[in-house]
Amino acid sequence: QSALTQPASVSGSPGQSITISCTGTSSDVGGHNYVSWYQQYPGKAPKLMIYEVSNRPSGVPDRFSGAKSGNTASLTISGLQAEDEADYYCSSYTSSSTQVFGGGTKLTVL
Amino acid sequence: EVQLVESGGGLVQPGGSLRLSCAASGFTFSRDWMSWVRQAPGMGLEWVANIKQDGSQKYYVDSVKGRFTISRDNAKNSLYLQMSSLRVEDTAVYYCARDGLPAALNDWGQGTLVTVSS
Repeated sequence: QSALTQPASVSGSPGQSITISCTGTSSDVGGHNYVSWYQQYPGKAPKLMIYEVSNRPSGVPDRFSGAKSGNTASLTISGLQAEDEADYYCSSYTSSSTQVFGGGTKLTVL
Repeated sequence: EVQLVESGGGLVQPGGSLRLSCAASGFTFSRDWMSWVRQAPGMGLEWVANIKQDGSQKYYVDSVKGRFTISRDNAKNSLYLQMSSLRVEDTAVYYCARDGLPAALNDWGQGTLVTVSS
């Protein structure tokens, strides 16, 4: 049950696009289409942004999109806004019927 | 409006026990899987355990197997986490979350802090 691998930090300027990667194995990311992404502000509970690789819950802006190729999933935020500055975590279902999170990525909007 | 309210956190000595509760409202509790997720101070999220709608299936992260027990009472719309043989490394904010979507946590509580220290 090793954590999924995410970059520690990414940054971008307002209006730009950024992509956060999430690398796992064939036992988690590569083996299922159950990858989700969460946004977390300091001191707050996480919020679901993407589920089942690329689906957005109601209320999440379409600037947020998800994809997957092999053992790597990705979250893309287009038209970056100041309010997007937060920590982002990926998560995947595993072949052991558990879930595993990535280490988290701090997004800085320059 | 979905509400998940955790309680039961606090300071406990290593080797001690604690029971966390999560009171759910605003949705049909008995229809969803439920999870516990924790976050150590300054660290990332760690999935801890989840439980099926009727309590017949439970899964745990390896680091808590044999020490933590997840349970639920659908009549009381409540989720629980019984924690025993607590270690310093169990110190974290513990979140209750609703598995309302396939392998995705679409609602979260505000968290309750558990501190394991002598």
